[in-house]
Amino acid sequence: EPEVTQTPSHQVTQMGQEVILRCVPISNHLYFYWYRQILGQKVEFLVSFYNNEISEKSEIFDDQFSVERPDGSNFTLKIRSTKLEDSAMYFCASSPQGGSYEQYFGPGTRLTVT
Amino acid sequence: GNSVTQMEGPVTLSEEAFLTINCTYTATGYPSLFWYVQYPGEGLQLLLKATKADDKGSNKGFEATYRKETTSFHLEKGSVQVSDSAVYFCALIGTASKLTFGTGTRLQVTL
Repeated sequence: EPEVTQTPSHQVTQMGQEVILRCVPISNHLYFYWYRQILGQKVEFLVSFYNNEISEKSEIFDDQFSVERPDGSNFTLKIRSTKLEDSAMYFCASSPQGGSYEQYFGPGTRLTVT
Repeated sequence: GNSVTQMEGPVTLSEEAFLTINCTYTATGYPSLFWYVQYPGEGLQLLLKATKADDKGSNKGFEATYRKETTSFHLEKGSVQVSDSAVYFCALIGTASKLTFGTGTRLQVTL
């Protein structure tokens, strides 16, 4: 069964460094998402992406964040100048359709900023 | 804005006990409702969904009914197993295609 994959599974970085989190969505899916979960808190929406542009972003997704689909398979989340409060589990998701269609999640990348 | 409220965990049950995890929501319009499950060390997996009032979603013995009159989507299972131990998230999609999650409820099933 096709699945969303994410790399790395765990990333440790120093405050102020840039990180890139990578995701490979399910191959025939067209809609892509990033969510994050700070330890002990809710899973929160960051951004949705369709047709090579951002469809919607939350107030969390400020100028330090960016997303890109550099080729036909990868979907990346870049965090410039990481802060301690960026430490969280980051989940990528994809969906064949938008709207209320279900989203399929990857296993997550745990980001630790020291 | 949209919001989802789940019962606080952890919920500890003996194997074969009946499970209910309460979930209520606030949303404009007619959201679609979901339950996701997160097993230890794994990502979020879709467990079941319902897209309109009175729909019942079911999977792996779990069920939830979309109750618009009470804005609820409670998760139930008649007989839990140790392998059901996980964190369960109630979620909704409203007019935009982003998921809004509840805080999650940890279920621990013991022999």
